[in-house]
Amino acid sequence: DAGVTQSPTHLIKTRGQQVTLRCSPKSGHDTVSWYQQALGQGPQFIFQYYEEEERQRGNFPDRFSGHQFPNYSSELNVNALLLGDSALYLCASNPVGHHQETQYFGPGTRLLVL
Amino acid sequence: KQEVTQIPAALSVPEGENLVLNCSFTDSAIYNLQWFRQDPGKGLTSLLLIQSSQREQTSGRLNASLDKSSGRSTLYIAASQPGDSATYLCAVSLPGANSKLTFGKGITLSVRP
Repeated sequence: DAGVTQSPTHLIKTRGQQVTLRCSPKSGHDTVSWYQQALGQGPQFIFQYYEEEERQRGNFPDRFSGHQFPNYSSELNVNALLLGDSALYLCASNPVGHHQETQYFGPGTRLLVL
Repeated sequence: KQEVTQIPAALSVPEGENLVLNCSFTDSAIYNLQWFRQDPGKGLTSLLLIQSSQREQTSGRLNASLDKSSGRSTLYIAASQPGDSATYLCAVSLPGANSKLTFGKGITLSVRP
């Protein structure tokens, strides 16, 4: 059983560009959350998707947007990239009906903005 | 606003030592608390989850305790090994927060052979 998968593993962009990161949840999971982890910091909650809708959002600007597809996979889009967007982006999923249980994290996408 | 603190930021111990990692949080009305392990450049692996109604959880050489009233949790690692070297993060979720996690910055542990 595959766990949470993310693509790509690494990405280099320049300021002002746009980026799309992808996540496939663990089998049987329907809720996907995205986190940003800057170097030396703990992960910060960006937003969560359930039933193809954004259910909750952290303190991130509108440049950060997302989408969830009918197969529960998800995308994170970041527009007008800033140097400060360089970070490890983590995706996590929850099992159906267990929204308060442990989240399973993917390996992350390392984004470098030059 | 919930804040999670982990001090110190880094710790170096000799192999075989028993050690305690600390975590504190400001809002005691948590739903659960989790400890995660993160290897350099990698994702997070859940180690232990403690529900708010529980006092501790154990898995192998790991034991996590929770004291909601004081806003503290500890992760106890027995007989540390070089393979335990990693960053350990604690995270809390609040009731009704739909599993959104608030993390500390983590403690980077180095176990010397």
